[in-house]
Amino acid sequence: KAGVTQTPRYLIKTRGQQVTLSCSPISGHRSVSWYQQTPGQGLQFLFEYFSETQRNKGNFPGRFSGRQFSNSRSEMNVSTLELGDSALYLCASSLPSADYEQYFGPGTRLTVT
Amino acid sequence: QKEVEQNSGPLSVPEGAIASLNCTYSDRGSQSFFWYRQYSGKSPELIMSIYSNGDKEDGRFTAQLNKASQYVSLLIRDSQPSDSATYLCAAASGGSYIPTFGRGTSLIVHP
Repeated sequence: KAGVTQTPRYLIKTRGQQVTLSCSPISGHRSVSWYQQTPGQGLQFLFEYFSETQRNKGNFPGRFSGRQFSNSRSEMNVSTLELGDSALYLCASSLPSADYEQYFGPGTRLTVT
Repeated sequence: QKEVEQNSGPLSVPEGAIASLNCTYSDRGSQSFFWYRQYSGKSPELIMSIYSNGDKEDGRFTAQLNKASQYVSLLIRDSQPSDSATYLCAAASGGSYIPTFGRGTSLIVHP
């Protein structure tokens, strides 16, 4: 079974620009979560989507947004990029069960200059 | 606020030894517990899940859960240099669907 895929893998943007990252979950997984990982802050939860609805949200500013499509694929968008947004952005998918096992994609490395 | 605490390390063990990684969690309602391995520059990989008190073994890995003490551990037997990575502990409680992750423990296995 194919794993979680994320595109693009690497991205360099300039302050003030916006960026869209894409995630395709494991087949059959309907929950998609997004995380930001930096050396200083560790793994921080952004938001989670299930059946095209945002079910949970972390403590990030409104510049960070996301959506999920009917095929469970998800995108996240960051507007007005800041230098501090440079991070590894991880997508994780899970089955619609109570086990909460999440499987991560390879991540998108975003660098803001 | 739900918290998962791990010693950041690094934990250094010789090849062939047992590596013991520990984690405590604050939410008594936590029901599911996970260990992820993350190599430098890579994404976290799920290696163990445990849901009930006691031990769960999978190859060289053993996860231990003690809900009364709110403590989870991961033992790696016959440690290999390829086990050198950061190990993330996570706990999830009913209703939130989202695990809370610790900051991770860096493990170094030296030949």
